[in-house]
Formats: sequence, structure tokens, C-alpha cells
Amino acid sequence: EPEVTQTPSHQVTQMGQEVILRCVPISNHLYFYWYRQILGQKVEFLVSFYNNEISEKSEIFDDQFSVERPDGSNFTLKIRSTKLEDSAMYFCASTLQTGAPHEQYFGPGTRLTVT
Amino acid sequence: GNSVTQMEGPVTLSEEAFLTINCTYTATGYPSLFWYVQYPGEGLQLLLKATKADDKGSNKGFEATYRKETTSFHLEKGSVQVSDSAVYFCALRAFFGNEKLTFGTGTRLTIIP
Repeated sequence: EPEVTQTPSHQVTQMGQEVILRCVPISNHLYFYWYRQILGQKVEFLVSFYNNEISEKSEIFDDQFSVERPDGSNFTLKIRSTKLEDSAMYFCASTLQTGAPHEQYFGPGTRLTVT
Repeated sequence: GNSVTQMEGPVTLSEEAFLTINCTYTATGYPSLFWYVQYPGEGLQLLLKATKADDKGSNKGFEATYRKETTSFHLEKGSVQVSDSAVYFCALRAFFGNEKLTFGTGTRLTIIP
């Protein structure tokens, strides 16, 4: 069964460093998402991406964040200068089409720890 | 805006007990509703979904019915097992727009033998 994959599973970085989180969505999917979950809190939407551009972003997704689909298979989330409060689990998701009954498929997540 | 209110946890039950986790929502139009499960150390897995009023989603013995009149989507299971221990998230997807999911706060369920 096709699945969304994410690398690395755990990333430790120092405050102020840049990190890139990588995702490989399901191959024929067209819509891509990043969510994050701070430890013990709810899952929050960060950004959605379609047709090589951002379609919506949340207040969390400020100028420190960017997304890219560099080669038609990977979907990356970059944080330019990490802060302690960026420590969270980051989930990538993809879907073939919007609208019922299509669902979003989630990757296993990357745990980002900023020290 | 859209929002999901979920029963606070944690919830601890004995094996074979009946489970209800409450979920209510606020949304315009006709959202789709979902329950996701997160097992320890793992990512989010779709447990069940319902896309229109009165639909019942079911999977692995879990059920939830989309009740538009009460804006609810409560999760139920008749007899829980230790392996059901996980965090359960209720979520909605707006009818229009880019399909982002709005999640509730999650309910941690622990089943004791």
C-alpha cells in the first residue's frame, strides 16, 4: 500500500540553525500539507501546497518557514532560523483530490528538537 | 472559523468496557468529519470518517455518527482492548477551500487489563 514517508525521524538542532524536513508524498497525489504537534498539544495546520504554490498558510507559518517541491517527488519544509518553540513533531500529509471522499494520508512525522 | 471541541482526557477504562469520546464541532456548510488515532511513538492514522449528515463511519469496532442537528461526531466502541490504548483526535475538513484539517485537542485513552 502506498504511504507517505518522512525523513529524518528525529532531528536535533541548535537554536538559530536552519533545518529542512523532508517528505515523499504518495506518488500520484496533488495536494500537500504540513502540520505540527507540540508535545501534548493538538495537531495544528501549517501550510497547504498545490500546483507548486502555497494555497493557504496559518499564522504560525511566518517568514521563517518555507516549503518547496523541488523535484516532483519530495516536499520539504524549511525553517530558516530555528527557535526553541519550534520543537515539535512535524507531519506531512497528501491527498489526491480535495472533496469527499478523499482523505489525507499522513507520514509518521519528524520530531524536531531545538536546543 | 472552524473549530473542534473534544472531550478532555485522559480516559482510563478496563478491558471490555464501553467507550465514548465526545466530539462537537463548529463549521459553516457541510464539513467532513474524521477520527484519527495516534499510537505511542507513531504518526496519525485515519480511524474512520463521515462525509455527510447521518453517515456512520466504522472501523476496527469503532463507530461514529455524523449528527448535524447536534453538531457532534462522538466516537464509540462496545468493548475496548488493551491495544486500543492511544490518543484519539477528532477533526473536520471544511466543505470549501483547500481541505486543511482542523483538529481537536486529542483524548488519551488507556485500557487496563
